Amino acid sequence: SAVISQKPSRDICQRGTSLTIQCQVDSQVTMMFWYRQQPGQSLTLIATANQGSEATYESGFVIDKFPISRPNLTFSTLTVSNMSPEDSSIYLCSVEWGEGTQYFGPGTRLTVL
Amino acid sequence: QQQVKQSPQSLIVQKGGISIINCAYENTAFDYFPWYQQFPGKGPALLIAIRPDVSEKKEGRFTISFNKSAKQFSLHIMDSQPGDSATYFCAASIRQAGTALIFGKGTTLSVSS
Repeated sequence: SAVISQKPSRDICQRGTSLTIQCQVDSQVTMMFWYRQQPGQSLTLIATANQGSEATYESGFVIDKFPISRPNLTFSTLTVSNMSPEDSSIYLCSVEWGEGTQYFGPGTRLTVL
Repeated sequence: QQQVKQSPQSLIVQKGGISIINCAYENTAFDYFPWYQQFPGKGPALLIAIRPDVSEKKEGRFTISFNKSAKQFSLHIMDSQPGDSATYFCAASIRQAGTALIFGKGTTLSVSS
């Protein structure tokens, strides 16, 4: 299985600012995903990040708000831009490990004041 | 078509009892059905997964039952323990690379001692 780390683990931010979340994997993977989990809710896919190509965003998520970088096969970043209290959530990255299996990072807990 | 419906929303089981969580899907193209366990403050952890060519898969106290014709699958936790108290998510996907998981809304399990 893959070992995934995220930084920061949590943060408290002021509205209008931006936060970049890092996701590091201990092995090279082709597909990485970013999910959002609002308090007490399920996981919602934000975007799929394939190395060497532009991220693909789900309905309701746009690149200007959630820009993603995927510079290599072990790393990705998600930026939450111009934050509002509604962006307070857990942000999770995951990796596709073959045959549909996905492993998740520990998450980044974001509070926007 | 893309939804995965999960029930119940919450479940209380006595220690030693059987916990049963059910999920239903509509998209017949789904061919991978994992269950994730999430403890507070942690990322989802892959618990067990099944593919539609088998009707049952067992790993320790955890069993997935799969009914392809009914488009339903369920998680059974035998001899439930207080340490099993967590939120459980079913999910579904199409195994081709790049297909993200579609999650159910989650079930909060409490095992009382």
